[in-house]
Amino acid sequence: AQSVTQLGSHVSVSEGALVLLRCNYSSSVPPYLFWYVQYPNQGLQLLLKYTSAATLVKGINGFEAEFKKSETSFHLTKPSAHMSDAAEYFCAVREDTGGFKTIFGAGTRLFVKA
Amino acid sequence: DTEVTQTPKHLVMGMTNKKSLKCEQHMGHRAMYWYKQKAKKPPELMFVYSYEKLSINESVPSRFSPECPNSSLLNLHLHALQPEDSALYLCASSQGRGGSSYNEQFFGPGTRLTVL
Repeated sequence: AQSVTQLGSHVSVSEGALVLLRCNYSSSVPPYLFWYVQYPNQGLQLLLKYTSAATLVKGINGFEAEFKKSETSFHLTKPSAHMSDAAEYFCAVREDTGGFKTIFGAGTRLFVKA
Repeated sequence: DTEVTQTPKHLVMGMTNKKSLKCEQHMGHRAMYWYKQKAKKPPELMFVYSYEKLSINESVPSRFSPECPNSSLLNLHLHALQPEDSALYLCASSQGRGGSSYNEQFFGPGTRLTVL
């Protein structure tokens, strides 16, 4: 079964600093990977997805993620944090059988300090 | 229109009440989903409809009853709920068949349910 592990339930950065949110996947086949963001009391919004076309994926709001097969990782980064980036971030993998199920990581809460 | 709408935003109900949650999308998506999300946890899949047919039921108690009247609408009927069912209920949709794994899900804002 596929799974994703997010390292760190909380990450705190200063405004303007680099954001790095870690995600490792477990899959025996090429995975379908996603990053979603959830602001308080809202639904999830797609930040970016890995489609195998390129290992470096650019998303919305200045975020990007790099797929590294050798490290089974899909870490999310942003060069300069903004206060509005404070939210919950979920790494997710689409199950490779049938494709209906998306397996979410436990989530990482990002705090941004002024 | 790339929006999934959910009504109501908030719902408070007693354990003997019957209520319904509604979800609507006009993106032409043919897969629709119900998720339950407890505080500080990731969403948990409850049901999946593909082409208006129930494809997945994740062993959800029968007090939750989904319905897909047409390709744009998804309902979740609630009856005799327990306080532990209090959560954020999220609806989502995705393009084409659910089996197209690159297709991301579009989520609604959720219904915050409180069971007294």
